[in-house]
Amino acid sequence: DAKTTQPPSMDCAEGRAANLPCNHSTISGNEYVYWYRQIHSQGPQYIIHGLKNNETNEMASLIITEDRKSSTLILPHATLRDTAVYYCIVSKNTNAGKSTFGDGTTLTVKP
Amino acid sequence: DVKVTQSSRYLVKRTGEKVFLECVQDMDHENMFWYRQDPGLGLRLIYFSYDVKMKEKGDIPEGYSVSREKKERFSLILESASTNQTSMYLCASITAGVGNNEQFFGPGTRLTVL
Repeated sequence: DAKTTQPPSMDCAEGRAANLPCNHSTISGNEYVYWYRQIHSQGPQYIIHGLKNNETNEMASLIITEDRKSSTLILPHATLRDTAVYYCIVSKNTNAGKSTFGDGTTLTVKP
Repeated sequence: DVKVTQSSRYLVKRTGEKVFLECVQDMDHENMFWYRQDPGLGLRLIYFSYDVKMKEKGDIPEGYSVSREKKERFSLILESASTNQTSMYLCASITAGVGNNEQFFGPGTRLTVL
């Protein structure tokens, strides 16, 4: 699986959009981008994933650049409960879950 | 609601003890995983299983073994616990096949080895 690079930490004001970047310059054609988050003292939670096109669900939006070398997770209206570590992972779907999680980005949402 | 449960949230054991960490999922998933999480090292895969009685080593299997006797249960075993195995242990499961790699994680077990 390709490796990813994320900033170690970010702050966001409550109610504003949080934009979390991820670089995955060595991504290959059949690898997907997945995002998870981990709230303190809990297991990671799946947020969203995508291959080429932008994706949106009830939790977030995922924007993948045309060359697929980077992506951005957007939380449109961050709340204090969104404070967590966010992990960007690149994985082939055929790996059936065998993924490498790095250190992620610690997002702190401030009132 | 899909669910992955782990037998303990917190566990304290002594060096040399045999330790069992249990994980149960109720989603009929084929694939199950054990990770450990340490500050600065992210989540590291210890072992995984694609089917009952099948297991494969992950990135850091040394000092650990696993057991998968039933589809819903995946156990991590520390044959002789050591202080460097103090960590957060996370279990996850996923359904087999191409399509979606969404992993469902349990709440974690924080193990302290004294």
